Amino acid sequence: GAVVSQHPSRVICKSGTSVKIECRSLDFQATTMFWYRQFPKQSLMLMATSNEGSKATYEQGVEKDKFLINHASLTLSTLTVTSAHPEDSSFYICSARGPGGDYGYTFGSGTRLTVV
Amino acid sequence: AQSVSQHNHHVILSEAASLELGCNYSYGGTVNLFWYVQYPGQHLQLLLKYFSGDPLVKGIKGFEAEFIKSKFSFNLRKPSVQWSDTAEYFCAVTLPGGQNFVFGPGTRLSVLP
Repeated sequence: GAVVSQHPSRVICKSGTSVKIECRSLDFQATTMFWYRQFPKQSLMLMATSNEGSKATYEQGVEKDKFLINHASLTLSTLTVTSAHPEDSSFYICSARGPGGDYGYTFGSGTRLTVV
Repeated sequence: AQSVSQHNHHVILSEAASLELGCNYSYGGTVNLFWYVQYPGQHLQLLLKYFSGDPLVKGIKGFEAEFIKSKFSFNLRKPSVQWSDTAEYFCAVTLPGGQNFVFGPGTRLSVLP
């Protein structure tokens, strides 16, 4: 079945630095990918919708200048957390719609970001 | 905006016990309903989904869920859990034609051997 690879799985960075998270569709093309964020003991919240070749669509309350999304190819979307702060520490998950429709969404394995 | 609630934050069961995890959503129209499972250290996996038709849906690994429209519920069940069912379970909703999911807060299931 469709596979979405997310990298890195864990990252620790210093406050003020930037971190890039990659989301790849390994065996299919994804014109649209989704980025979610999950705080401890809370649900996944949609941050933004990443569209290949165009600007991402951000959900209300998500800072587009802080969470930069680039979807330059049909198999890769990246999320860059700029000038990270401890409150950005969270679990970030991407998803993409696999081929064949019928809501064949596939999720990446997630990235645990810890900002110290 | 639609929202999803899950009744329990953490459920602890012994092996062979029966499981029912509650899920309620708030949206008056037609919805698509999903249950996902996240095993420790792994990615989200689809357990089952409901779009229309028979409200009793069977999924993988012996799980099933029942859609009760009048109660806005989509509870997940399994007659006899195993230790390997220990995981986080998420209920999710999308609107027909919608692409993004609204997830419930999740229920952690711990099955004691």
